[in-house]
Amino acid sequence: QVQLKESGPGLVQPSQTLSLTCTVSGFSLTSYNVHWVRQPTGKGLEWMGVIWTGGSTDYNSALKSRLSISRDTSKSQVFLKMNSLQTEDIATYYCARGPYYGYTSYVMDAWGQGASVTVSS
Amino acid sequence: DIQMTQSPTSLAASVGESVTITCLASEDIYGSLVWYQQKPGKSPQLLIYGATILEDGIPSRFSGSGSDTQYSLKINSLQPEDFASYYCQNGLSTPFTFGSGTKLEIK
Repeated sequence: QVQLKESGPGLVQPSQTLSLTCTVSGFSLTSYNVHWVRQPTGKGLEWMGVIWTGGSTDYNSALKSRLSISRDTSKSQVFLKMNSLQTEDIATYYCARGPYYGYTSYVMDAWGQGASVTVSS
Repeated sequence: DIQMTQSPTSLAASVGESVTITCLASEDIYGSLVWYQQKPGKSPQLLIYGATILEDGIPSRFSGSGSDTQYSLKINSLQPEDFASYYCQNGLSTPFTFGSGTKLEIK
């Protein structure tokens, strides 16, 4: 079945770089897009960026200068790197599978469990 | 960038009642509107795409409507498991912006 699982350090020091890995199973990264979405505790969802099936990327303009998404298709892994972390970046980070559904919409139809990230010295 | 304005922020209702949540896009998204449900401590779940199409396995008491810039999610005959947060999302083009969310609580 389709699964996504985020992994990475739960604690990052201020001004340092966050590195997360999304390991997927049950589908190919060359057939499905993968998004990253984050959610501060008690707040709403923020779309961060996407890596398309062809390997190109698009980012939220508010994060673009700090964010990089890449992948290793042979390992079925998608990577998120975001530098210059601050307390405003404290959140749960999700990866999600993102097909184009029914010729109508780009959706996120399967989600990982989320990775909680804290920024503190 | 397309902005998504969702209302209300919170809503209290009783089991058996019906509720409607609205989402306004800052420009025409041609029906590419997506709705998610999120329960506390859980990941979001896809409910509706293309403004009106229910994802497989979603109960028929959920329905979506709208076009151009105005969309809504209606839940009929609320069940205890429906009390959760709901988010709309621009499914047309990047950035795939979410609405700010609606928390549906039990009255």
